[in-house]
Amino acid sequence: GQQLNQSPQSMFIQEGEDVSMNCTSSSIFNTWLWYKQDPGEGPVLLIALYKAGELTSNGRLTAQFGITRKDSFLNISASIPSDVGIYFCAGQERLDAGNNRKLIWGLGTSLAVNP
Amino acid sequence: NAGVTQTPKFQVLKTGQSMTLQCAQDMNHNSMYWYRQDPGMGLRLIYYSASEGTTDKGEVPNGYNVSRLNKREFSLRLESAAPSQTSVYFCASRQGGSGEKLFFGSGTQLSVL
Repeated sequence: GQQLNQSPQSMFIQEGEDVSMNCTSSSIFNTWLWYKQDPGEGPVLLIALYKAGELTSNGRLTAQFGITRKDSFLNISASIPSDVGIYFCAGQERLDAGNNRKLIWGLGTSLAVNP
Repeated sequence: NAGVTQTPKFQVLKTGQSMTLQCAQDMNHNSMYWYRQDPGMGLRLIYYSASEGTTDKGEVPNGYNVSRLNKREFSLRLESAAPSQTSVYFCASRQGGSGEKLFFGSGTQLSVL
């Protein structure tokens, strides 16, 4: 099935550093989503983006919807130990005539933070 | 507010055994989903239910069946478990329509020996 190219696959950083990750696709999406998964838990939505060029923040997290609509970026500023986890991007496309939308997922970026 | 509740949390099966994973949501959501998560494969959609009374196949439906018992509950059944079905399974729900916010349960870690 279709997948997004998410990079980097993993990062190991020092507490206080900034983090950047991105997703690219061969398809155009109308919505980009960023999720975080803590160990032993399900993913939790961090940020949703709806328009090309949109820049949205959620605390220390900032995400952007690329102008081409084929990519998205997530930045985390001043990382802290609780930022540890796996970050997933997802692009949304229509699934069926009932307006139910399918999410295409990246493979995740695993983030480790050294205190 | 519990959100999405999955049971069991862990399960070990022998090849050929059957089992049902249970999922319930208390957010009055219309749509419910079953995903599996495997290393290097990301999240893959098994089945979904856009609304009560309907179910449809996702990317990887083979070997699974589902039942949308009512608006709250959506179960996933493995009729004859295979080692390839060793995975972490997540149930999720959303309001439906144009609502994109997907709420996940905490997962079921299944091992098939």
